[in-house]
Amino acid sequence: AQSVSQHNHHVILSEAASLELGCNYSYGGTVNLFWYVQYPGQHLQLLLKYFSGDPLVKGIKGFEAEFIKSKFSFNLRKPSVQWSDTAEYFCAVKPHSGGGADGLTFGKGTHLIIQP
Amino acid sequence: IAGITQAPTSQILAAGRRMTLRCTQDMRHNAMYWYRQDLGLGLRLIHYSNTAGTTGKGEVPDGYSVSRANTDDFPLTLASAVPSQTSVYFCASSDHSGTGLYFGPGTRLTVL
Repeated sequence: AQSVSQHNHHVILSEAASLELGCNYSYGGTVNLFWYVQYPGQHLQLLLKYFSGDPLVKGIKGFEAEFIKSKFSFNLRKPSVQWSDTAEYFCAVKPHSGGGADGLTFGKGTHLIIQP
Repeated sequence: IAGITQAPTSQILAAGRRMTLRCTQDMRHNAMYWYRQDLGLGLRLIHYSNTAGTTGKGEVPDGYSVSRANTDDFPLTLASAVPSQTSVYFCASSDHSGTGLYFGPGTRLTVL
């Protein structure tokens, strides 16, 4: 079965700092990869996703992520964070050949706090 | 407004009681899911349904049951609630294009 590891449980940054959140997955085959964000008191929203093609994908609100197949990684980046980026971030993976819709496997999340 | 609705928003329940969490989507998505979110554990899949009439077990199915009588509704039932089922429960749906999941607003359940 696939699994997802997020390296940092808590990250604290100042506004305008650069952000990189680590995500590694374990699965032997082709995968679809996702980053979700959960703002305080809200439900999860899709930030970006990778299915195939260009390994550098751009999402909403200035976020991007790079898929490095050799490292089984899908790190999330943002050049300059804002206070409004304070949220919980989840990396998720789905085997590409899963066939049935058996859901995504999520990492445990990274709690990001941006200090004004 | 298209999306997923969940009810109730929150609930406090005595241990041993039966509880059904409701989930309805109006996007005509084939697949639906129930996840629980716990601090430090992220989201874990409880049950899923590929299409109306079929269901499957996820990572943590014990103590929960689901049904999928039609495309829109996917209720989650706790037959006899226990304190370890205190959690935030999210319903989600997707089509089969693999574009990811759409999540509902969640139900915060406390079992005493």
